[in-house]
Amino acid sequence: KQEVTQIPAALSVPEGENLVLNCSFTDSAIYNLQWFRQDPGKGLTSLLLIQSSQREQTSGRLNASLDKSSGRSTLYIAASQPGDSATYLCAATQGGANSKLTFGKGITLSVRP
Amino acid sequence: GAGVSQSPRYKVAKRGQDVALRCDPISGHVSLFWYQQALGQGPEFLTYFQNEAQLDKSGLPSDRFFAERPEGSVSTLKIQRTQQEDSAVYLCASSPSSRALGYGYTFGSGTRLTVV
Repeated sequence: KQEVTQIPAALSVPEGENLVLNCSFTDSAIYNLQWFRQDPGKGLTSLLLIQSSQREQTSGRLNASLDKSSGRSTLYIAASQPGDSATYLCAATQGGANSKLTFGKGITLSVRP
Repeated sequence: GAGVSQSPRYKVAKRGQDVALRCDPISGHVSLFWYQQALGQGPEFLTYFQNEAQLDKSGLPSDRFFAERPEGSVSTLKIQRTQQEDSAVYLCASSPSSRALGYGYTFGSGTRLTVV
């Protein structure tokens, strides 16, 4: 059974800092790995999706990498802003007929002005 | 509508009461998923529909949980005889793909269920 871990559970940084959020997974036979953002009281917004054949994806100030062999993914946020404050979740998809997502518990990020 | 709509946004139920949670997916979306998110946890898979067919219900925690999507659009998640451990946010997601494969998901804002 796939298990996804995100440590630490919370992170507080000053505005402007570059930061890395970590995600690890136990089953390397994933179809893809996805990072989501969740704001309080809101649903999840997909930020970046990395296919199993890819090593990284970039969108604006965000860069996500994937190392299947070591079971790890990172989300890099450049020049953090207070508006980046949210919970960031990673989720793995195993593929198959029902491609459900297996989520980590998330990292709650606070960017201080 | 433009997004996935879930109702009610909040529901308080007395222990033992039955509840029904509604999900209106994006029009034309084939795949529909239900997830349960307890406080401080990541979402956990409950069940998956492809059109009106429920292809996977392996995540439903007990036989008190039942989901349906009779016409392949709106879905209802029903919980019978609610218990305190059912308190969570219930998220619905839809995708235009028949396999979803993790992308193309649009999540609703969820229904926060509190059982007292």
